[in-house]
Amino acid sequence: EAQVTQNPRYLITVTGKKLTVTCSQNMNHEYMSWYRQDPGLGLRQIYYSMNVEVTDKGDVPEGYKVSRKEKRNFPLILESPSPNQTSLYFCASSLLQGAGNEQFFGPGTRLTVL
Amino acid sequence: KNEVEQSPQNLTAQEGEFITINCSYSVGISALHWLQQHPGGGIVSLFMLSSGKKKHGRLIATINIQEKHSSLHITASHPRDSAVYICAARNRDDKIIFGKGTRLHILP
Repeated sequence: EAQVTQNPRYLITVTGKKLTVTCSQNMNHEYMSWYRQDPGLGLRQIYYSMNVEVTDKGDVPEGYKVSRKEKRNFPLILESPSPNQTSLYFCASSLLQGAGNEQFFGPGTRLTVL
Repeated sequence: KNEVEQSPQNLTAQEGEFITINCSYSVGISALHWLQQHPGGGIVSLFMLSSGKKKHGRLIATINIQEKHSSLHITASHPRDSAVYICAARNRDDKIIFGKGTRLHILP
């Protein structure tokens, strides 16, 4: 089944404890992206990647890192999480960047930073 | 002012009613997406359109490029249509700008 998977789905952690949220897609998509969703603010892009070893900042990249060593995986890294990073995170992928390319979303990761 | 505005923010209707959700955008776009987010949080893509009209089952999406406006219609609404509907505009730099969503609640 074609899908985007994220792990973990739920995570409660404490300030400063490094964490990684994994994202994997099995559709051979080139374009992958991370979003966070907050009440009243909607979805905002954190980072995106147009292909292996190609990543770029979105609208809210501060406090996050990403890597794209393989086409299928695009992990989101929080080196020193803070409470303002408490949010619902979505990974998404599409065949290519650009009009005409539907985005497929992962199930979401709900992160709480205490 | 947000570049993508949706209305209404919240909508409650009776089962069977015809539903319209509106999306206005202020940027030049290459495509407009309609997404559905269910209470569990998962997001699915409903439509992607750059002109005219698309239909899938009871859902219809239209776009008027000149007026920079899109609508999502649901015919014969059902409680299972209850969800948040999100409009997203892809601008000419390929950046996707999301609306804040419309929370729809269909009463049985």
